[in-house]
Amino acid sequence: GQQVMQIPQYQHVQEGEDFTTYCNSSTTLSNIQWYKQRPGGHPVFLIQLVKSGEVKKQKRLTFQFGEAKKNSSLHITATQTTDVGTYFCAGNDYKLSFGAGTTVTVRA
Amino acid sequence: DGGITQSPKYLFRKEGQNVTLSCEQNLNHDAMYWYRQDPGQGLRLIYYSQIVNDFQKGDIAEGYSVSREKKESFPLTVTSAQKNPTAFYLCATSWAPKETQYFGPGTRLLVL
Repeated sequence: GQQVMQIPQYQHVQEGEDFTTYCNSSTTLSNIQWYKQRPGGHPVFLIQLVKSGEVKKQKRLTFQFGEAKKNSSLHITATQTTDVGTYFCAGNDYKLSFGAGTTVTVRA
Repeated sequence: DGGITQSPKYLFRKEGQNVTLSCEQNLNHDAMYWYRQDPGQGLRLIYYSQIVNDFQKGDIAEGYSVSREKKESFPLTVTSAQKNPTAFYLCATSWAPKETQYFGPGTRLLVL
């Protein structure tokens, strides 16, 4: 069945540095979605990527969908304390499947 | 999200008791979902419903039951058959299956 893997599971970042989290699917996806869950909160939709090779930006966040539509990445530049939380990717094949998430902590 | 209500925020129950978690939405979404989240882990799908009076098992349905008698409501019952029920339970909705999901604030269940 469809599996979505995310790495790394944890990311400890110095404030101001960049980092990337990766999402890989065992099957070709029709689209991929990214969500953010703040500590103690619930997941909130960030963005959806549909086209092969698509790149979308939201301020300091850059989302990319792989050419084969089996992987995706989220790159955050100049990390801030407001970026703390868990970032989930969710791949759409015959159903929406969530990855385990990357939990981000920031050192001030 | 403001359109999805889960109550209560915290719930304590004794081992062996059934407990029902509420999920109500006023977004007019057809699809509704229940997820379980354990500390430091991702979202695991328990049950989902694509339309009223229909629901399907997710990846970890054992020990849980649901109903979908109204479009606005999708209650989840955690039965005594669920061996490790303590977790954070999230309800979500979407316009249609596979579309963007909107999550409620969640209910933290603690079984003593």
